[in-house]
Amino acid sequence: DAKTTQPNSMESNEEEPVHLPCNHSTISGTDYIHWYRQLPSQGPEYVIHGLTSNVNNRMASLAIAEDRKSSTLILHRATLRDAAVYYCILRGDSNYQLIWGAGTKLIIKP
Amino acid sequence: EAQVTQNPRYLITVTGKKLTVTCSQNMNHEYMSWYRQDPGLGLRQIYYSMNVEVTDKGDVPEGYKVSRKEKRNFPLILESPSPNQTSLYFCASSGQGGEKLFFGSGTQLSVL
Repeated sequence: DAKTTQPNSMESNEEEPVHLPCNHSTISGTDYIHWYRQLPSQGPEYVIHGLTSNVNNRMASLAIAEDRKSSTLILHRATLRDAAVYYCILRGDSNYQLIWGAGTKLIIKP
Repeated sequence: EAQVTQNPRYLITVTGKKLTVTCSQNMNHEYMSWYRQDPGLGLRQIYYSMNVEVTDKGDVPEGYKVSRKEKRNFPLILESPSPNQTSLYFCASSGQGGEKLFFGSGTQLSVL
């Protein structure tokens, strides 16, 4: 199963953009890149996903490298409520199984 | 409101006493799954179900059972719980395509 590598933690200031990196050098051509986040004492929450092209939604943007070996989740203007653990996950198109790593703990400073 | 509901939220039990953690979703989703989350290990899949009467093992199925008799419900059964099953458990569901998983709020289980 393809794996992802993320920094253990990152800090950012409130109301500034945040770029969360993810490396997935063994990604296959049909693997989707998913991002979830987990706020303290809650279940994970879907953020965004993509295959090849960059994606935007109301929560974030996903920038995917041309060779697909890395991606970046972009929070355009972080708030204190964005403090969470962010997981970058790969999902094959043949099943719905997600392989979770340890994620990146995002700390937002007021 | 679209949601995945797990019960109970907290559960303390003793070794060997059978227990069931319930999971229900109101989104008519085909896919449902159980995960456990332990410090430093991330989320690991226990069992999943692609539809009614269709279940399959995930990465850590030993010591657990599931059933999917109805589309909305996917209970997790521990026939003889042991202390190493002390963990935080999450149920999740997804519609066709599996693009977006919806998670419950979690069940913190302690087995003494």
